[in-house]
Amino acid sequence: AQRVTQPEKLLSVFKGAPVELKCNYSYSGSPELFWYVQYSRQRLQLLLRHISRESIKGFTADLNKGETSFHLKKPFAQEEDSAMYYCAPPRLGSNYKLTFGKGTLLTVNP
Amino acid sequence: EAGVAQSPRYKIIEKRQSVAFWCNPISGHATLYWYQQILGQGPKLLIQFQNNGVVDDSQLPKDRFSAERLKGVDSTLKIQPAKLEDSAVYLCASSSTGVRTGELFFGEGSRLTVL
Repeated sequence: AQRVTQPEKLLSVFKGAPVELKCNYSYSGSPELFWYVQYSRQRLQLLLRHISRESIKGFTADLNKGETSFHLKKPFAQEEDSAMYYCAPPRLGSNYKLTFGKGTLLTVNP
Repeated sequence: EAGVAQSPRYKIIEKRQSVAFWCNPISGHATLYWYQQILGQGPKLLIQFQNNGVVDDSQLPKDRFSAERLKGVDSTLKIQPAKLEDSAVYLCASSSTGVRTGELFFGEGSRLTVL
């Protein structure tokens, strides 16, 4: 079955420390993957998509086909990065729709 | 640009009662989604519309949930009768078609508590 796994429900780091939020997928081929973020009291919103190879708010994510992973990384975490992060691959087919992982709650401590 | 609007923001009902949620997507977005987010879990897709047609409702509990998007714009999601396990945040999202960006724009959600 096509699915994504976020193995960590909670992740706590100190400000300035590197952070990596893990996401593994079980798709074949080259899936398009996304990271969504939900800050406290805000809407769920797109953080970044791997296809654009962009860096948003210092975060990057590389698709590793060998490990079937799409981990989200940031070299120096900030307190404002504290949020819920969801890895989201599409359900394959002509109709584009996203399924979400269970999410990782990141807490960046001062 | 106005975002996705949802109402009501909060609703408390007793089990076996009915409830309806409303969503107005971003203007021009042909695709509309309803997600259910139970506390501690990721959003789960309930139904997807393309204009006023249903694309995917495979995870919609059709014995109690129904949704419509009659004119291809606004949508309503109804639960009748509600069960305790329906307590969740119901998220509406929209996206434009023809662009495989995968970006969904979400509303603030409607939080349902079933007592």
